[in-house]
Amino acid sequence: KNEVEQSPQNLTAQEGEFITINCSYSVGISALHWLQQHPGGGIVSLFMLSSGKKKHGRLIATINIQEKHSSLHITASHPRDSAVYICAVRSEETSGSRLTFGEGTQLTVNP
Amino acid sequence: ETGVTQTPRHLVMGMTNKKSLKCEQHLGHNAMYWYKQSAKKPLELMFVYNFKEQTENNSVPSRFSPECPNSSHLFLHLHTLQPEDSALYLCASSQAGHNEKLFFGSGTQLSVL
Repeated sequence: KNEVEQSPQNLTAQEGEFITINCSYSVGISALHWLQQHPGGGIVSLFMLSSGKKKHGRLIATINIQEKHSSLHITASHPRDSAVYICAVRSEETSGSRLTFGEGTQLTVNP
Repeated sequence: ETGVTQTPRHLVMGMTNKKSLKCEQHLGHNAMYWYKQSAKKPLELMFVYNFKEQTENNSVPSRFSPECPNSSHLFLHLHTLQPEDSALYLCASSQAGHNEKLFFGSGTQLSVL
């Protein structure tokens, strides 16, 4: 069992829908990252958070440290949001730069 | 454009070939990383360099040999690879410190025949 579990693995939505992607982890963490990977491979860091909530445009990320759970929300989804969304955590016990990654959620937004 | 450039974007090589992947970052960061992404699997950290010094080697086979001549450039030298090494190889950089944000390149899609 991976230390970082994402759900769903695949998600198809219609343009305009509200989307939620979930991430659960099993270790104490110092930070959680949400990343976006478009076809072709490039990865962009969306959020880094250790508590509470962050918002950037139509994207919102929340984290509940006690429940070891984070969610990424996309409001008013658009076809250009189609990508793989990856959750990654840095363990409290990890020194250096080691992140543990989830397997990713493939999001497809249809027009 | 993330400020991290990888070349080549695609590479096909035979098992007896020697090739190198190149990564360059224009962000003034002092840490650089190699990650491997295989199909349907999470990203795996391969190597970490801080201030040009290798600080992590995640039990990577010796057929992968990293080189970091300065804080802006990172290479991954490939020799006698196996078909199971076919994957997307991603370079990233960051400003070393606790909980630093990573900036990724577009990756090199490697196929080993």
